[in-house]
Amino acid sequence: NAGVTQTPKFQVLKTGQSMTLQCAQDMNHNSMYWYRQDPGMGLRLIYYSASEGTTDKGEVPNGYNVSRLNKREFSLRLESAAPSQTSVYFCASHTGTGGTDTQYFGPGTRLTVL
Amino acid sequence: GESVGLHLPTLSVQEGDNSIINCAYSNSASDYFIWYKQESGKGPQFIIDIRSNMDKRQGQRVTVLLNKTVKHLSLQIAATQPGDSAVYFCAENGSSYKLIFGSGTRLLVRP
Repeated sequence: NAGVTQTPKFQVLKTGQSMTLQCAQDMNHNSMYWYRQDPGMGLRLIYYSASEGTTDKGEVPNGYNVSRLNKREFSLRLESAAPSQTSVYFCASHTGTGGTDTQYFGPGTRLTVL
Repeated sequence: GESVGLHLPTLSVQEGDNSIINCAYSNSASDYFIWYKQESGKGPQFIIDIRSNMDKRQGQRVTVLLNKTVKHLSLQIAATQPGDSAVYFCAENGSSYKLIFGSGTRLLVRP
């Protein structure tokens, strides 16, 4: 049981390049989330998927798109990267069926946009 | 709007002492709160949670206290160890299982 996994761990892009951050969870969770964390700050929600087949905007969605490929996988895409998107990106998952409401986080992707 | 904040950005304690990390929240409708620990270069790790129908909940060396009257949450760590050094975030639930995070408190444990 690996929990939440993310790839890649590190990435450097030039302004205008595109890339997709991958996330997968093996806990059979319904809900998945993408956050960004900037230095000295808490996590801000970019997009989330309450269940397979649905996605919704979070607090800071501009410049990003997401795809809930199946129940396990939730990807985040930057179509045209900007320096302001330099950040650490965390994926999380949650049961979404009651019980504990805790979200479980992946190890993060450290993205630098030059 | 909804917000979760922390009183102290950095807390330095002596190894073996107890640590108290505080958090204020603004949404009185929030009914679930979580404390996360984040070590350098890692993702947030769940420590303990509490629902609004409780005032106190204890785990292993950690206790969370909830004061709904003043909308205040605290994390107490007993006999703080070097391995407890990290950034601690409180979070409250928003709608649709969305969590709202505070900006974090860095805990430094002096040997």
